[in-house]
Amino acid sequence: QVQLVESGGGLVMPGGSLRLSCAASGFTFSDHSMNWIRQAPGRGLEWVSYISRSGKTIYYSDSVKGRFTISRDNAKNSLYLQMNSLRAEDTAVYYCARDNVVAAGYWGQGTLVTVSS
Amino acid sequence: DVVMTQSPLSLPVTLGQPASISCRSSQSLVYSDGNTYLHWFQQRPGQSPRRLIYKVSNRDSGVPDRFSGSGSGTDFTLKISRVEAEDVGVYYCMQGTHWPWTFGQGTKVEIK
Repeated sequence: QVQLVESGGGLVMPGGSLRLSCAASGFTFSDHSMNWIRQAPGRGLEWVSYISRSGKTIYYSDSVKGRFTISRDNAKNSLYLQMNSLRAEDTAVYYCARDNVVAAGYWGQGTLVTVSS
Repeated sequence: DVVMTQSPLSLPVTLGQPASISCRSSQSLVYSDGNTYLHWFQQRPGQSPRRLIYKVSNRDSGVPDRFSGSGSGTDFTLKISRVEAEDVGVYYCMQGTHWPWTFGQGTKVEIK
């Protein structure tokens, strides 16, 4: 069955960096585009970034453009999110989500990122 | 960005009764390929979101048939024909037609 397991979250100071990972299993990773979607505590869902199957097409939300970088390693069945210049407003649970026919058909359990001094 | 507006934001329902959530977009969600990329997600308390409906009216695998989606253009609806206790949670619509993808604010469904 499809499994997505995020890791790499934690407490980081404003201006700091963090790299999130998402380990995929139970399907052919290279056959599917992927996303990062986040949810601030007690708030709604916010799409963050998209990467195509090959990694050649990438999109970001305006709120993270220039600070976050999405990437994937199809040989390792892994998705990544490099987050730099972190701000308090980036505090959220970060989910990786696999597209199934269309957007975000499968979700991981999420990893919490807290940006605070 | 496309703004997605859901109503109501809170929906108390009686078990066994129907429920309906509206989602309106600030511009048409019809893509150049003719498809409408409007999807619905459910987030039960303490759980990750789960997609229920994709492209307006297609139920995902394992989703009970009491859930249905409809609509076109800028106006969409999620209906639950008979609410069960396991349906408690927050429901989000999301548009995947225009970048960036955007979600509605969420509608909290609770049992009266």
